[in-house]
Amino acid sequence: ETGVTQSPTHLIKTRGQQVTLRCSSQSGHNTVSWYQQALGQGPQFIFQYYREEENGRGNFPPRFSGLQFPNYSSELNVNALELDDSALYLCASSFDRTNTEAFFGQGTRLTVV
Amino acid sequence: QQQVKQSPQSLIVQKGGISIINCAYENTAFDYFPWYQQFPGKGPALLIAIRPDVSEKKEGRFTISFNKSAKQFSLHIMDSQPGDSATYFCAAIKAAGNKLTFGGGTRVLVKP
Repeated sequence: ETGVTQSPTHLIKTRGQQVTLRCSSQSGHNTVSWYQQALGQGPQFIFQYYREEENGRGNFPPRFSGLQFPNYSSELNVNALELDDSALYLCASSFDRTNTEAFFGQGTRLTVV
Repeated sequence: QQQVKQSPQSLIVQKGGISIINCAYENTAFDYFPWYQQFPGKGPALLIAIRPDVSEKKEGRFTISFNKSAKQFSLHIMDSQPGDSATYFCAAIKAAGNKLTFGGGTRVLVKP
Protein backbone atom coordinates (compact mmCIF):
# COMPACT_ATOMS: atom_id res chain seq x y z
CA GLU A 1 0.00 0.00 0.00
CA THR A 2 1.19 3.50 -0.82
CA GLY A 3 0.84 6.32 1.70
CA VAL A 4 -1.49 8.17 -0.67
CA THR A 5 -5.11 8.23 0.47
CA GLN A 6 -8.11 9.53 -1.42
CA SER A 7 -11.61 10.31 -0.28
CA PRO A 8 -14.31 9.45 -0.87
CA THR A 9 -13.83 6.08 -2.57
CA HIS A 10 -17.14 6.26 -4.42
CA LEU A 11 -19.45 9.12 -5.27
CA ILE A 12 -22.65 9.56 -7.26
CA LYS A 13 -23.56 13.04 -8.48
CA THR A 14 -26.21 14.51 -10.75
CA ARG A 15 -25.35 16.28 -13.99
CA GLY A 16 -24.74 19.99 -13.36
CA GLN A 17 -23.64 19.54 -9.77
CA GLN A 18 -20.21 20.28 -8.35
CA VAL A 19 -17.86 17.80 -6.66
CA THR A 20 -14.72 17.99 -4.52
CA LEU A 21 -12.30 15.08 -4.28
CA ARG A 22 -9.51 14.93 -1.72
CA CYS A 23 -6.02 13.48 -1.62
CA SER A 24 -3.47 13.14 1.14
CA SER A 25 0.02 12.78 -0.25
CA GLN A 26 2.68 10.43 1.00
CA SER A 27 4.90 11.76 3.78
CA GLY A 28 7.83 13.72 2.38
CA HIS A 29 6.19 14.32 -1.00
CA ASN A 30 5.59 17.92 -2.12
CA THR A 31 4.01 17.23 -5.51
CA VAL A 32 0.52 15.99 -6.30
CA SER A 33 -0.79 15.13 -9.76
CA TRP A 34 -4.38 14.29 -10.68
CA TYR A 35 -5.41 11.87 -13.42
CA GLN A 36 -8.75 10.85 -14.89
CA GLN A 37 -9.15 7.20 -15.87
CA ALA A 38 -12.20 6.37 -17.97
CA LEU A 39 -13.36 2.76 -17.96
CA GLY A 40 -11.04 0.54 -19.97
CA GLN A 41 -8.55 3.33 -20.70
CA GLY A 42 -5.25 4.60 -19.41
CA PRO A 43 -5.12 7.53 -16.98
CA GLN A 44 -5.13 11.02 -18.49
CA PHE A 45 -3.21 13.86 -16.83
CA ILE A 46 -5.43 16.63 -15.47
CA PHE A 47 -2.92 18.86 -13.65
CA GLN A 48 -0.09 18.93 -11.15
CA TYR A 49 0.50 20.95 -8.00
CA TYR A 50 3.98 21.62 -6.67
CA ARG A 51 4.37 23.47 -3.36
CA GLU A 52 0.85 24.90 -3.58
CA GLU A 53 1.21 26.21 -7.16
CA GLU A 54 -0.25 24.68 -10.32
CA ASN A 55 2.64 23.26 -12.35
CA GLY A 56 1.20 22.10 -15.62
CA ARG A 57 -2.21 21.19 -16.93
CA GLY A 58 -3.52 18.64 -19.37
CA ASN A 59 -6.28 19.01 -21.93
CA PHE A 60 -9.13 19.57 -19.48
CA PRO A 61 -11.56 22.51 -19.36
CA PRO A 62 -11.40 25.23 -16.67
CA ARG A 63 -14.30 23.67 -14.76
CA PHE A 64 -11.63 21.24 -13.50
CA SER A 65 -9.71 23.11 -10.82
CA GLY A 66 -7.54 22.24 -7.89
CA LEU A 67 -5.79 23.31 -4.75
CA GLN A 68 -2.78 22.20 -2.78
CA PHE A 69 -2.50 22.99 0.91
CA PRO A 70 0.58 23.77 3.03
CA ASN A 71 0.68 20.14 4.21
CA TYR A 72 0.76 19.16 0.49
CA SER A 73 -2.64 17.51 0.52
CA SER A 74 -4.78 18.43 -2.45
CA GLU A 75 -8.32 18.84 -3.75
CA LEU A 76 -9.76 18.38 -7.21
CA ASN A 77 -12.93 20.36 -7.92
CA VAL A 78 -15.17 19.76 -10.89
CA ASN A 79 -18.02 22.18 -11.62
CA ALA A 80 -21.04 21.71 -13.87
CA LEU A 81 -20.64 17.95 -13.97
CA GLU A 82 -21.27 16.18 -17.27
CA LEU A 83 -22.06 12.51 -17.88
CA ASP A 84 -18.63 12.06 -19.50
CA ASP A 85 -16.97 13.07 -16.23
CA SER A 86 -17.86 9.63 -14.88
CA ALA A 87 -14.46 8.00 -14.28
CA LEU A 88 -11.92 6.91 -11.70
CA TYR A 89 -10.00 9.94 -10.46
CA LEU A 90 -6.49 9.16 -9.35
CA CYS A 91 -4.14 11.19 -7.24
CA ALA A 92 -0.39 10.59 -7.44
CA SER A 93 2.19 12.04 -5.12
CA SER A 94 5.93 12.30 -5.69
CA PHE A 95 8.92 13.89 -4.04
CA ASP A 96 9.62 16.07 -7.07
CA ARG A 97 7.89 17.46 -10.14
CA THR A 98 9.21 14.90 -12.58
CA ASN A 99 6.82 12.15 -11.51
CA THR A 100 9.44 9.49 -12.14
CA GLU A 101 8.57 7.95 -8.78
CA ALA A 102 4.85 8.61 -8.62
CA PHE A 103 2.77 6.76 -6.04
CA PHE A 104 -0.93 6.50 -6.74
CA GLY A 105 -3.86 6.40 -4.36
CA GLN A 106 -6.69 3.92 -4.81
CA GLY A 107 -8.79 6.50 -6.62
CA THR A 108 -12.28 7.95 -6.31
CA ARG A 109 -14.93 6.40 -8.54
CA LEU A 110 -17.24 9.22 -9.67
CA THR A 111 -20.52 8.41 -11.35
CA VAL A 112 -22.52 11.24 -12.89
CA VAL A 113 -26.19 10.47 -13.56
CA GLN B 1 -3.54 11.86 -30.77
CA GLN B 2 -2.39 8.86 -28.79
CA GLN B 3 1.27 9.42 -28.02
CA VAL B 4 1.86 5.98 -26.52
CA LYS B 5 0.25 3.00 -28.24
CA GLN B 6 -0.02 -0.28 -26.35
CA SER B 7 -0.84 -3.78 -27.57
CA PRO B 8 -2.47 -6.19 -27.17
CA GLN B 9 -5.57 -4.97 -25.34
CA SER B 10 -5.90 -8.30 -23.59
CA LEU B 11 -3.83 -11.41 -23.12
CA ILE B 12 -4.46 -14.89 -21.74
CA VAL B 13 -1.46 -16.98 -20.72
CA GLN B 14 -1.06 -20.28 -18.92
CA LYS B 15 0.65 -20.41 -15.54
CA GLY B 16 4.39 -20.61 -16.10
CA GLY B 17 4.20 -19.00 -19.53
CA ILE B 18 5.57 -15.70 -20.77
CA SER B 19 3.41 -12.58 -21.09
CA ILE B 20 4.62 -10.00 -23.59
CA ILE B 21 3.18 -6.50 -23.87
CA ASN B 22 4.36 -4.00 -26.45
CA CYS B 23 4.37 -0.22 -26.56
CA ALA B 24 5.34 2.30 -29.20
CA TYR B 25 5.84 6.02 -28.84
CA GLU B 26 6.15 8.90 -31.25
CA ASN B 27 7.64 11.76 -29.27
CA THR B 28 11.44 11.53 -29.07
CA ALA B 29 11.35 13.96 -26.14
CA PHE B 30 10.26 11.08 -23.91
CA ASP B 31 13.18 9.85 -21.84
CA TYR B 32 11.74 7.75 -19.03
CA PHE B 33 9.50 4.75 -19.54
CA PRO B 34 7.78 3.17 -16.52
CA TRP B 35 5.38 0.26 -16.40
CA TYR B 36 2.48 0.19 -13.98
CA GLN B 37 0.38 -2.70 -12.68
CA GLN B 38 -3.21 -2.08 -11.69
CA PHE B 39 -5.54 -4.46 -9.86
CA PRO B 40 -9.32 -3.92 -9.86
CA GLY B 41 -10.32 -1.22 -7.39
CA LYS B 42 -6.73 -0.08 -6.88
CA GLY B 43 -4.54 2.66 -8.26
CA PRO B 44 -1.63 1.88 -10.60
CA ALA B 45 1.57 0.71 -8.89
CA LEU B 46 5.03 1.26 -10.35
CA LEU B 47 6.48 -2.06 -11.48
CA ILE B 48 9.70 -1.33 -13.34
CA ALA B 49 11.12 1.53 -15.42
CA ILE B 50 13.84 2.17 -17.97
CA ARG B 51 15.70 5.05 -19.61
CA PRO B 52 16.56 4.98 -23.34
CA ASP B 53 20.31 4.66 -22.77
CA VAL B 54 19.70 1.07 -21.63
CA SER B 55 18.42 -1.69 -23.93
CA GLU B 56 17.18 -4.05 -21.24
CA LYS B 57 16.35 -3.99 -17.54
CA LYS B 58 15.40 -6.96 -15.43
CA GLU B 59 13.82 -7.07 -11.98
CA GLY B 60 12.85 -10.52 -10.81
CA ARG B 61 10.42 -12.03 -13.30
CA PHE B 62 9.84 -8.69 -15.06
CA THR B 63 12.03 -7.49 -17.95
CA ILE B 64 11.79 -4.36 -20.08
CA SER B 65 13.32 -4.43 -23.55
CA PHE B 66 13.91 -1.06 -25.20
CA ASN B 67 14.53 -0.30 -28.88
CA LYS B 68 15.34 3.39 -29.19
CA SER B 69 15.66 3.46 -32.99
CA ALA B 70 12.26 1.81 -33.44
CA LYS B 71 10.73 3.87 -30.60
CA GLN B 72 9.36 0.71 -29.07
CA PHE B 73 9.58 -0.97 -25.70
CA SER B 74 8.09 -4.08 -24.22
CA LEU B 75 7.39 -5.79 -20.92
CA HIS B 76 8.08 -9.50 -20.51
CA ILE B 77 6.61 -11.34 -17.53
CA MET B 78 8.44 -14.62 -17.14
CA ASP B 79 6.96 -17.64 -15.34
CA SER B 80 3.57 -15.90 -15.20
CA GLN B 81 1.53 -16.60 -12.06
CA PRO B 82 -2.22 -16.24 -11.38
CA GLY B 83 -1.36 -13.36 -9.02
CA ASP B 84 0.02 -11.47 -12.04
CA SER B 85 -3.51 -11.21 -13.44
CA ALA B 86 -4.00 -7.46 -13.66
CA THR B 87 -4.04 -4.58 -16.11
CA TYR B 88 -0.62 -3.33 -17.18
CA PHE B 89 0.08 0.16 -18.46
CA CYS B 90 3.17 1.45 -20.16
CA ALA B 91 3.87 5.14 -19.75
CA ALA B 92 6.36 7.79 -20.79
CA ILE B 93 7.68 11.04 -19.36
CA LYS B 94 9.52 13.81 -21.17
CA ALA B 95 12.88 15.07 -19.98
CA ALA B 96 12.15 17.74 -17.35
CA GLY B 97 8.51 16.90 -17.86
CA ASN B 98 5.91 16.57 -15.18
CA LYS B 99 3.27 14.21 -16.43
CA LEU B 100 2.93 10.54 -17.19
CA THR B 101 1.54 9.77 -20.66
CA PHE B 102 -0.07 6.35 -20.46
CA GLY B 103 -0.80 3.69 -23.03
CA GLY B 104 -4.29 2.23 -23.25
CA GLY B 105 -3.55 -0.75 -21.02
CA THR B 106 -3.35 -4.54 -21.41
CA ARG B 107 -5.53 -6.83 -19.34
CA VAL B 108 -3.55 -9.97 -18.52
CA LEU B 109 -5.24 -13.15 -17.31
CA VAL B 110 -3.01 -15.98 -16.11
CA LYS B 111 -4.82 -19.32 -16.07
CA PRO B 112 -3.79 -21.89 -13.44
